[in-house]
Amino acid sequence: DAGVIQSPRHEVTEMGQEVTLRCKPISGHDYLFWYRQTMMRGLELLIYFNNNVPIDDSGMPEDRFSAKMPNASFSTLKIQPSEPRDSAVYFCASSLARGLGYTFGSGTRLTVV
Amino acid sequence: GENVEQHPSTLSVQEGDSAVIKCTYSDSASNYFPWYKQELGKRPQLIIDIRSNVGEKKDQRIAVTLNKTAKHFSLHITETQPEDSAVYFCAASSDYSGGGADGLTFGKGTHLIIQP
Repeated sequence: DAGVIQSPRHEVTEMGQEVTLRCKPISGHDYLFWYRQTMMRGLELLIYFNNNVPIDDSGMPEDRFSAKMPNASFSTLKIQPSEPRDSAVYFCASSLARGLGYTFGSGTRLTVV
Repeated sequence: GENVEQHPSTLSVQEGDSAVIKCTYSDSASNYFPWYKQELGKRPQLIIDIRSNVGEKKDQRIAVTLNKTAKHFSLHITETQPEDSAVYFCAASSDYSGGGADGLTFGKGTHLIIQP
């Protein structure tokens, strides 16, 4: 298995533009998580899915952020409109179930100018 | 919700010495405690984890201890080597019966520096 695959690896966009981050979890993993990492706030859980259903989105910072998981092999995190304070590394992770260790993707480094 | 505190934020040790990183958690329902290592520019990777029914777990040079009464757990690295230099994150989650894995709450990380 290729592991958790995220794209793009780097994204530079102008303030106000829409940004879409993509994630392909490990096949067979029922849980998918989106995290944001910054120096100031560390790793923050944004949202997670179980069997493609959003379970907890309380970490999504505001309505500009949305996430979907249309099927078991694909998820997106969208920011619209983007702002400079959204600049961070966004990680997707997946796991089998019930508290097992998560496998992280390589992350997307987002820079909003 | 869960709150995980991690100390120290930076730890510098001589190569060959031991390193200890400590974490505390707030939610007494938490029962799963993994540790991740993140090298510069790379993804966090799981290095060891422990469940609440175990007080200690060891894997070669790394070990984790858990004190549920005091709600703290620690990572111990012995005979440190240059390749141990990285940021280490502790985390905690609850494994509610029938509910499956909850999202991990991470500590802020410890930058471990191994001095040659």
